[in-house]
Amino acid sequence: DAGVTQSPTHLIKTRGQQVTLRCSPKSGHDTVSWYQQALGQGPQFIFQYYEEEERQRGNFPDRFSGHQYPNYSSELNVNALLLGDSALYLCASSLAGTYNQPQHFGDGTRLSIL
Amino acid sequence: DQQVKQNSPSLSVQEGRISILNCDYTNSMFDYFLWYKKYPAEGPTFLISISSIKDKNEDGRFTVFLNKSAKHLSLHIVPSQPGDSAVYFCAAGGWFLGAQKLVFGQGTRLTINP
Repeated sequence: DAGVTQSPTHLIKTRGQQVTLRCSPKSGHDTVSWYQQALGQGPQFIFQYYEEEERQRGNFPDRFSGHQYPNYSSELNVNALLLGDSALYLCASSLAGTYNQPQHFGDGTRLSIL
Repeated sequence: DQQVKQNSPSLSVQEGRISILNCDYTNSMFDYFLWYKKYPAEGPTFLISISSIKDKNEDGRFTVFLNKSAKHLSLHIVPSQPGDSAVYFCAAGGWFLGAQKLVFGQGTRLTINP
C-alpha cells in the first residue's frame, strides 16, 4: 500500500527563482493538502485540492499556486522565491467524504533559498 | 493568530513513567482533534484522534483527553518508551468553507530517558 510520496527530497534555489514540488497521494485518496513547516514551528496550511480545484486557501500570497491532475497527484509552485520561503513543504492526502479521518503525510521536500 | 497552542516546547520523562503533552485551542468551530508524531527527516505520522463529542479516546499506550469547556486536550503515553522520543504535534480539524483543514500547534519535543 503506497503511502504519500513527495519529490524532490531536497532542493536549493536562489531568491527570485521559481520552484515546483510534487506529490502523489496515498493509494485510494483523492484530496491533497499542502503545508509549510518553518524551523521550530508546526505545519501551516497552504491550500487543498480536490477534483482538480483549489478548495480552500490559507494565509499565503498568490506566489504560491498549485495544481491537481486527474490521477489525484498534485504540484505546488512557488514564484519569486524569498529567503523566508525556506522551509519543509509537506503534502498530505485524504479521502473526500470521510470526515474526521486523519490526513496522511509524506516525508516532505526541504527547500532552501540562498 | 495562533488558534492551536502547545505551550511546552520540550518535555523530558523517565522511561516507564507517564508522559503528558498538552494543547490548547481557541476556535469553537473545531470538531475533531489529532495528535501526530514526527521523527527527524520524516513526515508527521498520525497517532490518535478524538471527536468533539467525546472526552476520551484510548489506543494501547496512548490516551487523548478532551475538555471542551476549557478548550484543552492532552495526550497521555504510559508507559513511556525510548522509541516515543519525537516531536509531537497537536492538530485541530474542522469543515471550513467547503474543505477540511487542519491547524497545528508548534510541537512539543518529547525525550524519554532510559
